Amino acid sequence: EAGVTQFPSHSVIEKGQTVTLRCDPISGHDNLYWYRRVMGKEIKFLLHFVKESKQDESGMPNNRFLAERTGGTYSTLKVQPAELEDSGVYFCASSQGEMPNHQETQYFGPGTRLLVL
Amino acid sequence: AQKITQTQPGMFVQEKEAVTLDCTYDTSDQSYGLFWYKQPSSGEMIFLIYQGSYDEQNATEGRYSLNFQKARKSANLVISASQLGDSAMYFCAMREAFYGQNFVFGPGTRLSVLP
Repeated sequence: EAGVTQFPSHSVIEKGQTVTLRCDPISGHDNLYWYRRVMGKEIKFLLHFVKESKQDESGMPNNRFLAERTGGTYSTLKVQPAELEDSGVYFCASSQGEMPNHQETQYFGPGTRLLVL
Repeated sequence: AQKITQTQPGMFVQEKEAVTLDCTYDTSDQSYGLFWYKQPSSGEMIFLIYQGSYDEQNATEGRYSLNFQKARKSANLVISASQLGDSAMYFCAMREAFYGQNFVFGPGTRLSVLP
């Protein structure tokens, strides 16, 4: 069974440009999460999809970040326009959605390393 | 206040020895889950072990075990018979049933296994 995949693995862009990150969850997983780790800081929750619906987007830093999950399959996270402080590692995770959330293991992708110059 | 505290930024252990990575947490919720993840230098986050707040027995998964002390709000990871491949960052995480609703991670502990 394929794990969570993320694309690209690395992205280097200039301030003001747009970047779109993609996440493909484990097949059949209803829950999809985005996290990020800014340099030297802790991993922080960004948002949570249940199928195609945004369950919780309380962690999104500002309106330059837009996440979508069309059809409840893969998800994209767009940063427009990117700022220097957006640099970090963006992780996607998925879980089945068959158990209470606090009991379910989230399986993480390898992350996308974003560098904004 | 920090929800998850990992007081050891870095740890060294000799190969084949056991090591304990500390994790304390803060929650008002009665139902919560505690998770440990390993992040090797390649960057991916690998799930290791889970402990539910109502689980009476400490979780074990192969060489990994969780020393869960609910009254002290600690969930230390014990790795037995360390291997060179265990060198990595280790993150403790918590998810509350009612408050917060999403994973909160600790700052991580970098473990280095010495040959």
